[in-house]
Amino acid sequence: DAGVIQSPRHEVTEMGQEVTLRCKPISGHNSLFWYRQTMMRGLELLIYFNNNVPIDDSGMPEDRFSAKMPNASFSTLKIQPSEPRDSAVYFCASSYRPTNSPLHFGNGTRLTVT
Amino acid sequence: TQLLEQSPQFLSIQEGENLTVYCNSSSVFSSLQWYRQEPGEGPVLLVTVVTGGEVKKLKRLTFQFGDARKDSSLHITAAQPGDTGLYLCAGANNAGGTSYGKLTFGQGTILTVHP
Repeated sequence: DAGVIQSPRHEVTEMGQEVTLRCKPISGHNSLFWYRQTMMRGLELLIYFNNNVPIDDSGMPEDRFSAKMPNASFSTLKIQPSEPRDSAVYFCASSYRPTNSPLHFGNGTRLTVT
Repeated sequence: TQLLEQSPQFLSIQEGENLTVYCNSSSVFSSLQWYRQEPGEGPVLLVTVVTGGEVKKLKRLTFQFGDARKDSSLHITAAQPGDTGLYLCAGANNAGGTSYGKLTFGQGTILTVHP
């Protein structure tokens, strides 16, 4: 079990640029979550997929953020255009079922927008 | 909006001391999970408590879910430097008959155990 794999581990970009974060969930898991973590706001849920379908995107900050899950083994989170306030650590997590099931987190992507 | 408040936010203690971290809410949760996060890594699940009043032990860690399922505590006995990390509580709410147990995370408690 390789765990949840995220790439890149670190991303530094300039304001206005497009950023794409990638996630490979654990094989067999049918739920995928994107979280953002900052010192000020802690862990915030951005979007949740179940069986590749977005179920809850109420946490997506604004239209600059979009997420896709084209298949069960891959998801992307895109920010276009990026802004300095988007700087944070972005985590992807997966689980087999959402109800009371633990989340398995990746090691995150640390995004810095200058 | 359900909120989980953790306290204290920071805790710095010496090896061998005991400590308790609290997680409180005005809302009822279907279950509550505790995670530990180390620098540069994602949170890792420690335990899930489901029943009001439930107590679970994991070596030197004792987790309790409040009777009303609105609060929880984590007690560490004889803390060790290896316990250092960010401790997060997360409440799940399966209200509305949905199978989607959306997790609400607390802000976390940063624990530092000095040798």
